[in-house]
Amino acid sequence: EIVLTQSPGTLSLSPGERATLSCRASQNIRSNFLAWYQQKPGQAPRLLIYGASIRATGIPDRFSGSGSGTDFSLTINRLEPEDFALYYCQHYGTSHLFTFGPGTKVDIK
Amino acid sequence: QLQLQESGPGLVKPSETLSLTCTVSGDSISSSSYYWGWIRQPPGKGLEWIGSISYSGSTYYNPSLKARVTIFVDTSKNQFSLKLRSVTAADTAVYYCARSDSSWHLDYYYYMDVWGKGTTVTVS
Repeated sequence: EIVLTQSPGTLSLSPGERATLSCRASQNIRSNFLAWYQQKPGQAPRLLIYGASIRATGIPDRFSGSGSGTDFSLTINRLEPEDFALYYCQHYGTSHLFTFGPGTKVDIK
Repeated sequence: QLQLQESGPGLVKPSETLSLTCTVSGDSISSSSYYWGWIRQPPGKGLEWIGSISYSGSTYYNPSLKARVTIFVDTSKNQFSLKLRSVTAADTAVYYCARSDSSWHLDYYYYMDVWGKGTTVTVS
């Protein structure tokens, strides 16, 4: 079973700065099988990135995903006020098994 | 526009069965491209996938919950449902339903592209 670790737990930044969030898998995974979600308080998660680097419909281009093997990242360029939220990575595995990371909170410095 | 809406009791007694339904509007649940799933989030914690089902009834469950979970689909009502048996306080969570879309690169892979707003279930 794949275990996802996200770091840091909390990232404190100011609007306009760049955020880099890390997601590490316990073993090599296919790059395409990695997705990222954003969740704001009291709301459902929203798909940001799938296939490790493909932005979902309607997602601004300041969001980008990259990585391979065991190390993946989500970058948010020029943080907007609405970007301060929780972010989860997710792996799609064999037997249609979905695994989520513990999340990274991006909050205002 | 596709929308998903969870419904069901907000309070369940310990040892009883939690039952939730997700109603899909804006598209047919019978589309062969998608899976339909349940995810939960205990208070202040992260996301946990519970299980998924195709329109034809193929199911996949989280191994940690498999013994207690059943997911089934009712295409005539455009709904899919979750039953979680023998609940305890640890099953208290916000329960989300979601659609899983797929893409292909060397193999099919899935991701959850449309979510319901979630429903809070308390076991007490």
